[in-house]
Amino acid sequence: EVHLAASGGDLAQPGGSLRLSCAASGFTFSSYAMSWVRQAPGRGLQWVSSISGSGGSRYNADSVTGRFTISRDNSKNTLYLQMNSLRAEDTALYYCAKYGDPYGYYHFDYWGQGTLVTVSS
Amino acid sequence: EIVMTQSPATLSVSPGERVIFSCRASHGVNNNLAWYQQKFGQAPRLLLSGVSTRATGVPARFSGSGSGTEFTLTISSLQSEDFAVYYCQQYNNWPRTFGQGTKLEIK
Repeated sequence: EVHLAASGGDLAQPGGSLRLSCAASGFTFSSYAMSWVRQAPGRGLQWVSSISGSGGSRYNADSVTGRFTISRDNSKNTLYLQMNSLRAEDTALYYCAKYGDPYGYYHFDYWGQGTLVTVSS
Repeated sequence: EIVMTQSPATLSVSPGERVIFSCRASHGVNNNLAWYQQKFGQAPRLLLSGVSTRATGVPARFSGSGSGTEFTLTISSLQSEDFAVYYCQQYNNWPRTFGQGTKLEIK
């Protein structure tokens, strides 16, 4: 059974940093691209960043480019999101999500439970 | 960026009725379109990918259709557990984009 457990969310000050983690199990982690998707309170879903199975390719939303870095450690079956220069508008529940096909970037077939990031002074 | 527009924002429907959700893309997305269901306090759940392919465990009352820029999700006979927010998402282009969601309420 696929399981994604996100953690690392916290209260951070504007301009501060956080690192989110997502521990994956139940599938061959290195074969699947992964992603972070966020949801601001009471709002819809917004794709943030994606990374290939090998980690060699990365894609970011314009709103986080230059501030957020997605990475993965396939030996630990863990996905990360390093978040720097945080802004109030980054406040959201951050979901890690697995892409549905090996080596592709298609639909998201499994989602973690989310970890809450709050940016406020 | 491809903008995904869902309509209406809210649907009020009675159990047992048929409901149709609409999703429009600002540019063609081929068949690279998925639908997700999100219940209150839960993570999204994949319903359909490739416009019409049901995910594992999704009941047959959920179906999808459309092509290019116009897509629909249909629930043939609403069950109490179907009341949730529904999102469409395109994965044809970067950035991946979602519609703003349609909330399905009990009438």
